[in-house]
Amino acid sequence: GAVVSQHPSWVICKSGTSVKIECRSLDFQATTMFWYRQFPKQSLMLMATSNEGSKATYEQGVEKDKFLINHASLTLSTLTVTSAHPEDSSFYICSASFPGTDTDTQYFGPGTRLTVL
Amino acid sequence: KNQVEQSPQSLIILEGKNCTLQCNYTVSPFSNLRWYKQDTGRGPVSLTIMTFSENTKSNGRYTATLDADTKQSSLHITASQLSDSASYICVVSPNQGGKLIFGQGTELSVKP
Repeated sequence: GAVVSQHPSWVICKSGTSVKIECRSLDFQATTMFWYRQFPKQSLMLMATSNEGSKATYEQGVEKDKFLINHASLTLSTLTVTSAHPEDSSFYICSASFPGTDTDTQYFGPGTRLTVL
Repeated sequence: KNQVEQSPQSLIILEGKNCTLQCNYTVSPFSNLRWYKQDTGRGPVSLTIMTFSENTKSNGRYTATLDADTKQSSLHITASQLSDSASYICVVSPNQGGKLIFGQGTELSVKP
């Protein structure tokens, strides 16, 4: 199946700093990439949907100025958590869909554990 | 409101035993239903996908069923192994290209 990677797999940062998380589709060009957040014992919550070369579409309640998404190429999307605070600590998962399939066929990355001190 | 409810919330079984996880949904229109396995600290991995017309789908020791009339699905795991310990998530797609609706997951723990 299609492979999606994320980097880093985990990161610890101080409050107020910014953190960038990368999501790459390794063996296919992704039409659309999705960013999810998952709190302990809870399911995935969609944060935003991004298409290559266009602005991301954010879900209600997600601050676009705090969670910056860039989808500069068909194989790379980045999520930057700006001025991170302890409440931003979570597990961030990206997924990707590729041309010729519907966007409900998503391949998930391994996730990035963010801890803000 | 589109919702996906899973039960039980958590389950502990002994290695070698079988188990069945349940998923009820109130999603309309309906395109397909997927079961995912999510190991701790990892992303979800697809186990099965079923469309409206499919009643059952197997993937090794995993067998999923779907009753589109009652809007229920189950995931049966046979001869469980320690590596089956994970969260199992039921995900429904309301229509092609639409947002996925996630269940809260069932946390399965297989003990030796």
